[in-house]
Amino acid sequence: GQQVMQIPQYQHVQEGEDFTTYCNSSTTLSNIQWYKQRPGGHPVFLIQLVKSGEVKKQKRLTFQFGEAKKNSSLHITATQTTDVGTYFCAGRSYGGSQGNLIFGKGTKLSVKP
Amino acid sequence: GAVVSQHPSWVICKSGTSVKIECRSLDFQATTMFWYRQFPKQSLMLMATSNEGSKATYEQGVEKDKFLINHASLTLSTLTVTSAHPEDSSFYICSASMGLAGAPYGQYFGPGTRLTVT
Repeated sequence: GQQVMQIPQYQHVQEGEDFTTYCNSSTTLSNIQWYKQRPGGHPVFLIQLVKSGEVKKQKRLTFQFGEAKKNSSLHITATQTTDVGTYFCAGRSYGGSQGNLIFGKGTKLSVKP
Repeated sequence: GAVVSQHPSWVICKSGTSVKIECRSLDFQATTMFWYRQFPKQSLMLMATSNEGSKATYEQGVEKDKFLINHASLTLSTLTVTSAHPEDSSFYICSASMGLAGAPYGQYFGPGTRLTVT
């Protein structure tokens, strides 16, 4: 079945450093979504990418969708302590089980002040 | 906007009893609601998808007779864990979407319910 792999599993950075998490799907995706889950909280929807090669920015966050629509990345520039949390990608394949999202395992980001 | 509430936030029950968890979309109509389990330090595992007024669609390996889902209205879905056992202890999270499953809408998550079965 469809799998969504996410790396790295953990990332520890010094405040001010950049951070990137990568997401790879075993199948071509119709779209991919990114979520952030703060410690003890619930996932919060960040963004959705639909088009091949799409790049979207939200302040210090840059989201990319690969040309083949099988991979995606989230890059945070100059991390802050408020960026701490687990970042999940979630891919939706064409015609998959009702087209539901398959979540990656997440990348847990810790930021040292 | 797009707020989803979940009740209770945590519950402790004895083995063999049933527990009902409610999920409500507070400021929008949720065409589709999803139920997930999340084990510690792990990702979300989709259990089932439900549309208002129709039977839920369960993911492979999820027992539909054990995890009863009712999507009574466009703002309310319930998950009942029947005859709970300690291995059912987990964090259950619901999410709601304004679109049909498969439509390119974001999902809005409830705060989750921590179930502990003793």
